Amino acid sequence: DQQVKQNSPSLSVQEGRISILNCDYTNSMFDYFLWYKKYPAEGPTFLISISSIKDKNEDGRFTVFLNKSAKHLSLHIVPSQPGDSAVYFCAARSSIRGSSNTGKLIFGQGTTLQVKP
Amino acid sequence: EAQVTQNPRYLITVTGKKLTVTCSQNMNHEYMSWYRQDPGLGLRQIYYSMNVEVTDKGDVPEGYKVSRKEKRNFPLILESPSPNQTSLYFCASSLSKATEQFFGPGTRLTVL
Repeated sequence: DQQVKQNSPSLSVQEGRISILNCDYTNSMFDYFLWYKKYPAEGPTFLISISSIKDKNEDGRFTVFLNKSAKHLSLHIVPSQPGDSAVYFCAARSSIRGSSNTGKLIFGQGTTLQVKP
Repeated sequence: EAQVTQNPRYLITVTGKKLTVTCSQNMNHEYMSWYRQDPGLGLRQIYYSMNVEVTDKGDVPEGYKVSRKEKRNFPLILESPSPNQTSLYFCASSLSKATEQFFGPGTRLTVL
């Protein structure tokens, strides 16, 4: 049962245009969401995150939007650059306030972004 | 340089031959975790550790063991590897369960 889903395995955009990566989740207990970026032969690196008390978080060219009612989040990259070509993973975590929370991240399947020069 | 290191990076082995994948972090992190990445499934947590001598199962712990005798090290042990454990493995660490996790470069394991 995939609690975090990235339904687009791949996305191709032109340099300078906007890249929009989407992620859906099913567990209403998730209250913290992250995006990781992964280059070949490297581990995932943290990109940006958002708490469920917000609906938008921005960091330079990267913005994450959260729509709690739709259980949907998206990552916008603008303008896209060839160096952004990588696999992007969406991840979610349940509230850490409960002692039973393990800190586990639930990952989506990943979306491969290709930015063409 | 702050980092998480894993060894080996690549390993081909045969069914039943015990192996250990090492993980070490130099950031004094309390929380450490192992994930495996498989096509179409993303990363799934195998085991995690909140601190020294405190470990617990993640979502896919079958066939794996871990230990946390020192804060910096969190080895993953496969006592009797099987072909379904062929995967890409990542170790991760963070200050606590509530902070962002830093990942190692990965270990690609093939079990024949």
